[in-house]
Amino acid sequence: EVQLLESGGALVQPGGSLRLSCVASGFTFSNNDMRWVRQAPGKGLEWVAAIHRGGNDRYYADSVQGRFTISRDNSKNTLYLQMNNLRVEDTALYYCVRVIDGSPSGMDVWGRGTTVTVSS
Amino acid sequence: EIVLTQSPDTLSLSPGERATLSCRASQSVGKSLAWYQQKPGQAPRLLIYDASTRAAGIPARFSGSGSGTDFTLTVSSLESDDFAVYYCQQRRNWPLTFGGGTKVEIK
Repeated sequence: EVQLLESGGALVQPGGSLRLSCVASGFTFSNNDMRWVRQAPGKGLEWVAAIHRGGNDRYYADSVQGRFTISRDNSKNTLYLQMNNLRVEDTALYYCVRVIDGSPSGMDVWGRGTTVTVSS
Repeated sequence: EIVLTQSPDTLSLSPGERATLSCRASQSVGKSLAWYQQKPGQAPRLLIYDASTRAAGIPARFSGSGSGTDFTLTVSSLESDDFAVYYCQQRRNWPLTFGGGTKVEIK
């Protein structure tokens, strides 16, 4: 079964740091681009970061540029999101997402998400 | 940044009716547009990508059309399982952006 399992979410104070992890199973992880998407409570979807299958190309939303770093370890089938200098507005459910083979427009596998709460 | 505007905000329909959801882009995205369905407490599910290609396992009652700046998701005959929030998303340019969503509710 194709699966993504996120972990690492927690309650953290403003200015703090967290590292989210996402372990992939059931497919060849190194064949797919990957992304993080978040959803604040009661709000819509917001793309956060993306990484090419080889790890060379990375992209970020303006709202997290310079604070978040996306990375991957294809030998461990794991995607990461290092989150520094967290803000209250970063509070959200963070989804790890697989980009569909052959097309950049679709994200076909989503994890259940991990919750990040930034509050003093 | 490409802004996606979805309409209407809410669609109130009965089971068996046809649902037509709109997504308009602030500039051309070609056919690089996807549609997702999200139910409360669940992760989004990919329905359509490349504007009109159904994702694996998606019923034929879901169809997507359009190119450039105007796109439509159609559900030909609503079933009880289809009442949810629907999002469009483009990846023609970075940043990747989502529309604000359309809620399809039971009338």
